[in-house]
Amino acid sequence: DIQMTQSPSSLSASVGDRVTITCRASQGISNYLAWYQHKPGKSPTLLMYATSILQPGVPSRFRGSGSGRDFTLTIVSLQPEDVATYYCQKYNSAPWAFGPGTKVAIK
Amino acid sequence: EVQLVESGGGLVQPGGSLRLSCAASGFTFNNYTMNWVRQAPGKGLEWLSDISFSSRTVNYAESVKGRFTISRDNAKNSLFLQMNSLRVDDTAVYYCVRKKFGPDCLDSWGQGILVTVSS
Repeated sequence: DIQMTQSPSSLSASVGDRVTITCRASQGISNYLAWYQHKPGKSPTLLMYATSILQPGVPSRFRGSGSGRDFTLTIVSLQPEDVATYYCQKYNSAPWAFGPGTKVAIK
Repeated sequence: EVQLVESGGGLVQPGGSLRLSCAASGFTFNNYTMNWVRQAPGKGLEWLSDISFSSRTVNYAESVKGRFTISRDNAKNSLFLQMNSLRVDDTAVYYCVRKKFGPDCLDSWGQGILVTVSS
């Protein structure tokens, strides 16, 4: 089975900073990669799929890129409401594995 | 508005069984693949199982294969997860999740329900 890794496991940045999270698949998954945001006390939400297509309602400061094995989630200008754990997930084939998550905090 | 409401969680002893239910509303349930995802305390998200709209195709994570069974009743807009031989490390919040129509990612999540396995 394909394994997903993420780095860093956590980060702290200032409001307005550019934040980058990376996700790596153990094998190529083309662009079958989604990102989720999980805020404390809430259910996870889908941020984007197909590496870079934003779900309706997701702010444009969230951007995705990559293909094959390496992917990136960028928050162009970090906002207080972006405090959350972010997960990547591959969906080229079952099992639909998640990465271990990256916790984002405000400095 | 899409609504997914889980029920059936609670405290169970190791080796015991529990059946989770998910009541779906606000969309045409029998058009969508449905999933169960869990989050253990202090851990990340773990995909567990999915079932196609017709129940013809099911998939399981290795961690629950042979112990958990996913099923659905399209007439009642309901999803189920039968959990047998429960272990302490099955303790988690369990989410009922809809798969997006088209790309196989997860676009609507229930509020989650806590399952605690403890003696």
